[in-house]
Amino acid sequence: EAGVAQSPRYKIIEKRQSVAFWCNPISGHATLYWYQQILGQGPKLLIQFQNNGVVDDSQLPKDRFSAERLKGVDSTLKIQPAKLEDSAVYLCASSRVGWETQYFGPGTRLLVL
Amino acid sequence: KQEVTQIPAALSVPEGENLVLNCSFTDSAIYNLQWFRQDPGKGLTSLLLIQSSQREQTSGRLNASLDKSSGRSTLYIAASQPGDSATYLCAVLGSNYKLTFGKGTLLTVNP
Repeated sequence: EAGVAQSPRYKIIEKRQSVAFWCNPISGHATLYWYQQILGQGPKLLIQFQNNGVVDDSQLPKDRFSAERLKGVDSTLKIQPAKLEDSAVYLCASSRVGWETQYFGPGTRLLVL
Repeated sequence: KQEVTQIPAALSVPEGENLVLNCSFTDSAIYNLQWFRQDPGKGLTSLLLIQSSQREQTSGRLNASLDKSSGRSTLYIAASQPGDSATYLCAVLGSNYKLTFGKGTLLTVNP
């Protein structure tokens, strides 16, 4: 069974630029999550999808971050414009249903200069 | 609001030692608790998942316990090896299916 795929693996941008991350979850997993992990911290949930609907986006900075899940499968997370404090690892995870084990992708490392 | 605390923040031990990592959480209304491993530059790998009705789970040299009423969990690693060096993260799944993580314990096992 293929795992959660993410791209790109690394991204360096200047502040005020835009960036987008892509995630392909495990086949058949209805729930998809985006986390932000700042160095030295645990992952923080940004947004949770159930199929193509948003379940929780309470910690998503909506003035600059947006996310969508196309046809309930792949998902993209966008930052526009980026700030220095957005430098972090962005992790995507998926699970069959909300209460089961979450499987994580390798993450995208973002550095904002 | 759920808060998860992990102690110690870092731990260095010689190879072969048994060790315990600690996790505490403030809200006992949880579905389950998971222990993850994170290697540098990698994503998270689930090690053990304990349902709220369970007291412990074992996998190889790893044993995790859960005391939901006191809001505590421990991860026991027997006969540690250099390959066990990584960051270990504890996470609890709340009633809203939201996973809340601790900051992790950085483990170094010295040959």
